[in-house]
Amino acid sequence: QKEVEQNSGPLSVPEGAIASLNCTYSDRVSQSFFWYRQYSGKSPELIMSIYSNGDKEDGRFTAQLNKASQYVSLLIRDSQPSDSATYLCAVNKGSSNTGKLIFGQGTTLQVKP
Amino acid sequence: DTAVSQTPKYLVTQMGNDKSIKCEQNLGHDTMYWYKQDSKKFLKIMFSYNNKELIINETVPNRFSPKSPDKAHLNLHINSLELGDSAVYFCASSPSGTGATGELFFGEGSRLTVL
Repeated sequence: QKEVEQNSGPLSVPEGAIASLNCTYSDRVSQSFFWYRQYSGKSPELIMSIYSNGDKEDGRFTAQLNKASQYVSLLIRDSQPSDSATYLCAVNKGSSNTGKLIFGQGTTLQVKP
Repeated sequence: DTAVSQTPKYLVTQMGNDKSIKCEQNLGHDTMYWYKQDSKKFLKIMFSYNNKELIINETVPNRFSPKSPDKAHLNLHINSLELGDSAVYFCASSPSGTGATGELFFGEGSRLTVL
């Protein structure tokens, strides 16, 4: 079992719709969870972080965490063609100073005009 | 000014050769990393250095040898290149580990193709 799992997609949604991206993780002691966005041919960039159960909203993005189910999701409201990218879920393992980010394989999102 | 810069951006080489990738960050961060991203976009940590000290060494063949001359630089040398080494190698840095914010600042990547 992979430590962080995502559906590779592609996930295709029409412009203006809600895109829902999901991620599960295997290590119950994980405390920190992140979503990175990677445009084709570019490097990943952090877009959301979440540390406690529930929802966290930032503009059109909402991250959701359910530690009991070991599940993290990212909702993108009013999806735009510029949101088309690969979204990488990442989980932090270990202590603050020696922790490492474990990434899922990413979900490719296509937003069609 | 590029925050995390890697050179070269592209390498094409033959099997069996040795190659190096250099990385420099001007963010004043203490921790630097090498990640490998394969053709399926899977991004996997290889090494991490904190203030020149190796703190993470994943199960990576010993043909890969990182070197950190100072906390702003982290280089990667690869001996006896194999076809399976073809990937994009990303250098990244963070202020002090990834526990607090999880934010890694990535370089643009170095695409290695082994023929």
